[in-house]
Amino acid sequence: DTEVTQTPKHLVMGMTNKKSLKCEQHMGHRAMYWYKQKAKKPPELMFVYSYEKLSINESVPSRFSPECPNSSLLNLHLHALQPEDSALYLCASSQVIGSNQPQHFGDGTRLSIL
Amino acid sequence: SQQGEEDPQALSIQEGENATMNCSYKTSINNLQWYRQNSGRGLVHLILIRSNEREKHSGRLRVTLDTSKKSSSLLITASRAADTASYFCATLDQTGANNLFFGTGTRLTVIP
Repeated sequence: DTEVTQTPKHLVMGMTNKKSLKCEQHMGHRAMYWYKQKAKKPPELMFVYSYEKLSINESVPSRFSPECPNSSLLNLHLHALQPEDSALYLCASSQVIGSNQPQHFGDGTRLSIL
Repeated sequence: SQQGEEDPQALSIQEGENATMNCSYKTSINNLQWYRQNSGRGLVHLILIRSNEREKHSGRLRVTLDTSKKSSSLLITASRAADTASYFCATLDQTGANNLFFGTGTRLTVIP
């Protein structure tokens, strides 16, 4: 079991749907991350939140909208996605941004766009 | 791209043998980390080595870092079937962006 919980584990949606991915951690970490991972590729950073504020947005299309309601929760709102957005979406957390501390990952949400 | 390169891309060994994976990176770093990913799961942190360290051990894992060559290696000794996974190096750079950049990964298969 991981200390970072992501829901749902699997999601299939059409290109016109609106859905949200959720991530939760109770380790008191103040940095949270969203990554996108395509098959047989490394994770690619999408967003970084530090103390509930968006710190880094790696030129991600606006059809992905992150939200950090509090220090334990991180959401990724999806709207009008494209087939190429099908991937494993990973959430991670660390004590603070840029520290000599590891990132803790959830098991991801496997997203399929029809 | 600041993404690192790993080699080999895939490695298949017999149980009990040692496995060595190499990582090269491009920028000055704060630290270098190794992660394992089992199929369909998230990444699990294995070991972190700081830029002023040259070698680090954790159980059956041995990591080396050569900042002059911008390279690192991960050695897994006495491998087990349960070590079958993808292994990624990741660097935290010193540019101030504080982003973790992952290497291309090595797929390790340990045959029982």
